[in-house]
Amino acid sequence: GAVVSQHPSRVICKSGTSVKIECRSLDFQATTMFWYRQFPKKSLMLMATSNEGSKATYEQGVEKDKFLINHASLTLSTLTVTSAHPEDSSFYICSAQPGLAGVTDTQYFGPGTRLTVL
Amino acid sequence: TQLLEQSPQFLSIQEGENLTVYCNSSSVFSSLQWYRQEPGEGPVLLVTVVTGGEVKKLKRLTFQFGDARKDSSLHITAAQPGDTGLYLCAADTGRRALTFGSGTRLQVQP
Repeated sequence: GAVVSQHPSRVICKSGTSVKIECRSLDFQATTMFWYRQFPKKSLMLMATSNEGSKATYEQGVEKDKFLINHASLTLSTLTVTSAHPEDSSFYICSAQPGLAGVTDTQYFGPGTRLTVL
Repeated sequence: TQLLEQSPQFLSIQEGENLTVYCNSSSVFSSLQWYRQEPGEGPVLLVTVVTGGEVKKLKRLTFQFGDARKDSSLHITAAQPGDTGLYLCAADTGRRALTFGSGTRLQVQP
């Protein structure tokens, strides 16, 4: 089956620093990747949609300058949390969608990255 | 207001009991998915329902899509401790991204 990996699985950083999270589709090409955020005991909330070779589309209320998304290849998307603050501590999950742009397809989820900002 | 409302939010039952989780919306969806998520992991797809009135079975799990394609249910028969987790319904709202329900946290006591 399709596998999506995330790295790192856990990261602890100091307030004010930046953290990069990688999302990779291991055995398929993903024209679209999605980034979700999940607070403890809560559901997943979509942050942004990342399309290979173009700018990400951010959901309302998500600061694009704080959460930088780069989708440089068909197998890799990165989320950089800039100038992290304790309120950015959360579980970040990516998903990757194979198939052609504009065609709805199954999403495959990564295992998530636990970010703790001290 | 959550687009997809799940009920109950939390359920604690004994091993062997049956349970039903509901996912409701005022919107019509072309398809709806159910996921199970364990702590510290990403969600895992259980099933996709597409046709109104559709019923799908996955071992002890039975999924139903409402006739009007606005709601869905997940029924678990003879729950086991291994069924413990967060159950999420999700739907594609037309932007390819998924909108997730509020979630139902299930705890099955041995």
